[in-house]
Amino acid sequence: QVQLVQSGSELKRPGASVKVSCKASGYTLSTYAMNWVRQAPGQGLEWMGWINTNTGNPTYAQGFTGRFVFSWDTSVSTAYLQISSLKPEDTAVYYCARNSGSGSYYDYWGQGTLVTVSS
Amino acid sequence: DIVMSQSPDSLAVSLGERATVNCKSSQSVLHSSDNKNYLAWYKQKPGQPPNLLIYWASTRESGVPDRFSGSGSGTDFTLTISSLQAEDVAVYYCQQYYSSPPTFGQGTKVEIK
Repeated sequence: QVQLVQSGSELKRPGASVKVSCKASGYTLSTYAMNWVRQAPGQGLEWMGWINTNTGNPTYAQGFTGRFVFSWDTSVSTAYLQISSLKPEDTAVYYCARNSGSGSYYDYWGQGTLVTVSS
Repeated sequence: DIVMSQSPDSLAVSLGERATVNCKSSQSVLHSSDNKNYLAWYKQKPGQPPNLLIYWASTRESGVPDRFSGSGSGTDFTLTISSLQAEDVAVYYCQQYYSSPPTFGQGTKVEIK
């Protein structure tokens, strides 16, 4: 069965970097695009962008350019989200979410990774 | 960007009663080329990731109980839970995927009265 398993919670100081992983199983990573979605504490869902897991080409939503990088490694069936120069307002749960085969809705989600940025 | 607005922000319904969540988009999400509404619904329980319920506005995802149904077209959509169960307590989100960026509604919290 399809599963997306994300790396564990992170506590970081402002200015540090973090890399969140999303390991896919039950299907071939390169077959479906992978999205990243942010959920700040007590807030709704915000689409950050997506990565074409066939070509590696990323697309970033407005507000997620510069410090955010999507990458992937098909040899380990894993997508990554790296955030640099962390700020307290980056504190959130970050989800990877697989595009469905028929449209840009998300049929499988990782369990989420809480990134806390605090001094 | 297409703005998605849900109403109400929260609602309390008795067990076994009907719950209705509304979602309105700032522009039509009905694609003329295929006559499909590019609208999905998700359910999120506390501490869990969202779970896909409905796509193309009215197609139930595999495994989703048939008490969940989606309706509407163009700019106005509804998620209906025909007979609320305890496990349906959650926040429900609509999402448009008609144009990029995909956008979500602010969420509607459904509770037991």
